[in-house]
Amino acid sequence: GENVEQHPSTLSVQEGDSAVIKCTYSDSASNYFPWYKQELGKGPQLIIDIRSNVGEKKDQRIAVTLNKTAKHFSLHITETQPEDSAVYFCAASGSSNTGKLIFGQGTTLQVKP
Amino acid sequence: GAGVSQSPSNKVTEKGKDVELRCDPISGHTALYWYRQSLGQGLEFLIYFQGNSAPDKSGLPSDRFSAERTGGSVSTLTIQRTQQEDSAVYLCASSPTGTGGNTIYFGEGSWLTVV
Repeated sequence: GENVEQHPSTLSVQEGDSAVIKCTYSDSASNYFPWYKQELGKGPQLIIDIRSNVGEKKDQRIAVTLNKTAKHFSLHITETQPEDSAVYFCAASGSSNTGKLIFGQGTTLQVKP
Repeated sequence: GAGVSQSPSNKVTEKGKDVELRCDPISGHTALYWYRQSLGQGLEFLIYFQGNSAPDKSGLPSDRFSAERTGGSVSTLTIQRTQQEDSAVYLCASSPTGTGGNTIYFGEGSWLTVV
């Protein structure tokens, strides 16, 4: 079945540095790739998403890139701040086009002041 | 704002007991999902409802797990004869439609502990 691999599992950066999280997916029919941020004790919140007809999307300090040929996509956070510390999940849509998402295992990002 | 609402937020139950977890999706959303998140793990798909279509139950881990969605709105996830490995956060989510590419909005989750 569909599988999403996410790396690294933990990431520690200094405030102001950039952070990059990478994901690969297995189903070439996937066409929607959201990223979620989950703070302790809360549900995941969508922070950015990208669709398969776009290679890159940016929203202030956050950007996502997609390489459909290689079946991988990445999250880039620039000028990191302590409040960016959280668990980040990538996801890919399933091939059935039902809206069901397959999630990566998550990356715990720590931004040190 | 009226987001996805889940209850109870925390539940401690004894092994062997049944539990029911409730989800109230965002008003007007036709698609509803249940996911499970074990400690330090990713989100595991359980079940998906879309309108009046038959639910996609492909993620339910055993026949002890079942879910209903009444009137196309509120959903209940039931776990019978709970086991310790059922301890996890159960997350409900909804989206405007069930087609791919729709934003999925999550609730805060129901934290289940089986002792």
